[in-house]
Amino acid sequence: AQTVTQSQPEMSVQEAETVTLSCTYDTSESDYYLFWYKQPPSRQMILVIRQEAYKQQNATENRFSVNFQKAAKSFSLKISDSQLGDAAMYFCAYRNSRLPSGGATNKLIFGTGTLLAVQP
Amino acid sequence: DGGITQSPKYLFRKEGQNVTLSCEQNLNHDAMYWYRQDPGQGLRLIYYSQIVNDFQKGDIAEGYSVSREKKESFPLTVTSAQKNPTAFYLCASSIQLAKNIQYFGAGTRLSVL
Repeated sequence: AQTVTQSQPEMSVQEAETVTLSCTYDTSESDYYLFWYKQPPSRQMILVIRQEAYKQQNATENRFSVNFQKAAKSFSLKISDSQLGDAAMYFCAYRNSRLPSGGATNKLIFGTGTLLAVQP
Repeated sequence: DGGITQSPKYLFRKEGQNVTLSCEQNLNHDAMYWYRQDPGQGLRLIYYSQIVNDFQKGDIAEGYSVSREKKESFPLTVTSAQKNPTAFYLCASSIQLAKNIQYFGAGTRLSVL
């Protein structure tokens, strides 16, 4: 079974600085997707960035980028020029690309989250 | 605006009572999901549905039931058999197979009186 581990329950960063959130996962699949979701105090889950395992290039979305190390099964999120609005819980998630036999849909497997505080 | 609407935002359940959480989407997505979130834990899948009139149990389906009579709607009933229902419940949807991005509603906070 696939698992996702976020070893940093809490992180803090100064405004305008850079912070990296860690995520490791375990899978025997070769093709899959990895995601970072943000959950602000409003509790709504917002997709931050997505990485397809077959792509070697790291995904970027404005101030957010990932360091995807497939062999090490590592998927860290880097937030540059941190802003007060970045303060939130961040979840790493995994999903298989192909459907397992039997037609069952692929669920998202979440880590336990990292609570990011941004200090002014 | 397109999106996923969950209601109510807060819900209270009495002992022995069944309660239903609403989830509606106008994104024309085929697949819909229900997750439960507890403090210190990631989201866990309760039920999912790939198509109308079909749904499957997730990892923690005991004490819950769902229906999918319309593409747009996927209500979750928390039954009296669920002994620890206090949690935050999130509904999500995705285009079946394509891109695998799940979009989430704003959630419902369920508490026991």
